[in-house]
Amino acid sequence: DGGITQSPKYLFRKEGQNVTLSCEQNLNHDAMYWYRQDPGQGLRLIYYSQIVNDFQKGDIAEGYSVSREKKESFPLTVTSAQKNPTAFYLCASSALLSGQETQYFGPGTRLLVL
Amino acid sequence: AQSVTQLGSHVSVSEGALVLLRCNYSSSVPPYLFWYVQYPNQGLQLLLKYTTGATLVKGINGFEAEFKKSETSFHLTKPSAHMSDAAEYFCAVSEGTNAGKSTFGDGTTLTVKP
Repeated sequence: DGGITQSPKYLFRKEGQNVTLSCEQNLNHDAMYWYRQDPGQGLRLIYYSQIVNDFQKGDIAEGYSVSREKKESFPLTVTSAQKNPTAFYLCASSALLSGQETQYFGPGTRLLVL
Repeated sequence: AQSVTQLGSHVSVSEGALVLLRCNYSSSVPPYLFWYVQYPNQGLQLLLKYTTGATLVKGINGFEAEFKKSETSFHLTKPSAHMSDAAEYFCAVSEGTNAGKSTFGDGTTLTVKP
């Protein structure tokens, strides 16, 4: 089955630690995205990558880092510089259908800082 | 610049009643508009999208939305609510074909009463 997988589903972090969230897709999509979702709010774009070995900052990139060494993988590292990391993190990839990009989302990772 | 306002963070309907979730947008260019559904602790699933052409868009699960340029609205409707429709719904606007650069609304939680 094709799709997007995110792991782990729940992640606990101690203050001052870096943690890495995994995102893998087997849809052969070029573009991948990371979003942060807070209660009562919509999604905010952290980073996105439109092609391997290239990525751009989104609206709230501070305290985060990414890599895109493979088309299938787009891991997100939440660094100790991110002062309020507790949130639900969603990864997405997109394909061009009928001239319009359509996004497909993973199931998310909930990060909790202890 | 683009923005989205979802009117009403919580909407409650009885099973079998009409569902109406409101979305107004702001965009400096002709917009692309999306509605997504999110079930608890899951990623977003695309319900429907408007790009160009017919202003009444039909989506999955019996939902539809109408693009009204004069009202800058893209309200989501369903004639008869089902218990399984209980979820959070997000409206999003994009000023180009890149769905990953969408701006999301804060979401509307739909509750369906038996």
